[in-house]
Amino acid sequence: NAGVTQTPKFQVLKTGQSMTLQCAQDMNHNSMYWYRQDPGMGLRLIYYSASEGTTDKGEVPNGYNVSRLNKREFSLRLESAAPSQTSVYFCASSLQPVGVGELFFGEGSRLTVL
Amino acid sequence: DQQVKQNSPSLSVQEGRISILNCDYTNSMFDYFLWYKKYPAEGPTFLISISSIKDKNEDGRFTVFLNKSAKHLSLHIVPSQPGDSAVYFCAASGEGNAGGTSYGKLTFGQGTILTVHP
Repeated sequence: NAGVTQTPKFQVLKTGQSMTLQCAQDMNHNSMYWYRQDPGMGLRLIYYSASEGTTDKGEVPNGYNVSRLNKREFSLRLESAAPSQTSVYFCASSLQPVGVGELFFGEGSRLTVL
Repeated sequence: DQQVKQNSPSLSVQEGRISILNCDYTNSMFDYFLWYKKYPAEGPTFLISISSIKDKNEDGRFTVFLNKSAKHLSLHIVPSQPGDSAVYFCAASGEGNAGGTSYGKLTFGQGTILTVHP
């Protein structure tokens, strides 16, 4: 059982380049999330998708776009990467609308923007 | 505005002793709290949770305590083991999260690095 799978695991970009982080879950979860982790900041929510067909901004959405492609997949796009977007990105999913429950995280994608 | 704070960046304990990790929150609308554990190069994994209607929840060596009046929660690990060495994040959810349903939208603390020495 793969759980939550993110690709790529590592990426180096130059300022201004674009890229898409892919995320897929095989747990039949309804909700999916993108977080970023920075030193001293914990995990901060970028975007989330409560259910297939819906997306909403989180705490730090600027510079990002998302697509909920289907129930399994939720991608995060950086249109014009900036050094401030250097971070570790985590995709997560949860079973909704059962109620508040745990998130299941992927292994993370480390992005460096030069 | 850090709504969930873990003021201790690190904690070092001896194997077999108790580890106590602390977390404070500012938003009184939070009603569900979780602890996650994270090893290097891995994603966070769920450890234990507590609803605001309780003041204690226990799962094996792990116990979470919630003091609503003080807006404080703590995670106790007894006895601590070297394999417990990891980063621990507390997280909160509830009506205080911005926009729409708060279900599953967690606000995380900065994390505390726990090192358990053999």
